[in-house]
Amino acid sequence: DAGVIQSPRHEVTEMGQEVTLRCKPISGHNSLFWYRQTMMRGLELLIYFNNNVPIDDSGMPEDRFSAKMPNASFSTLKIQPSEPRDSAVYFCASRYGTAYQETQYFGPGTRLLVL
Amino acid sequence: AQSVTQLDSQVPVFEEAPVELRCNYSSSVSVYLFWYVQYPNQGLQLLLKYLSGSTLVKGINGFEAEFNKSQTSFHLRKPSVHISDTAEYFCAVSDRYNNDMRFGAGTRLTVKP
Repeated sequence: DAGVIQSPRHEVTEMGQEVTLRCKPISGHNSLFWYRQTMMRGLELLIYFNNNVPIDDSGMPEDRFSAKMPNASFSTLKIQPSEPRDSAVYFCASRYGTAYQETQYFGPGTRLLVL
Repeated sequence: AQSVTQLDSQVPVFEEAPVELRCNYSSSVSVYLFWYVQYPNQGLQLLLKYLSGSTLVKGINGFEAEFNKSQTSFHLRKPSVHISDTAEYFCAVSDRYNNDMRFGAGTRLTVKP
């Protein structure tokens, strides 16, 4: 069974460019989470969806960040325009059901470098 | 809101020695507690979780953790570590008021030969 799939695995871009990160959750999972990991700030929750609906986006750093989940099998995290301080590893995770006690399954991450 | 504190940012230990990674949480309601492991250049994987019942939880790779409600702790232990246990370990908490999970800052375990 395929796990959470993220693409691209690595992205190098220049400041000001638009960046789109993609995530395919595990089939049958109802919740999807986007996290950002940096040395300075650790693992931060950016936004999460239940049944394709955004529930909490309070972790999104600013308006340059946006996330969508048009259907149960696909989500995107977009940064426009990108800045060097956005450099980080971005993880997507999915969860079966919407209950807080369920396990989150993480993808391998997208390593973003903004020059 | 719930929160998690991992008391040690780095733990160096020799191979075959025991290890304890400490985690304390705060929440005003009943919590669910998790330990995840992150190997280099990979995503997080679940090691074990506590939902209810026995306070001693056994996970994969020989790890176990004990839930202590009075001390609000969920420390992770392994009696004898291997080089392959070198990784970053995250403690996380969720509760019924927050439908997400809050992670600690992580503890980097380095096992030396």
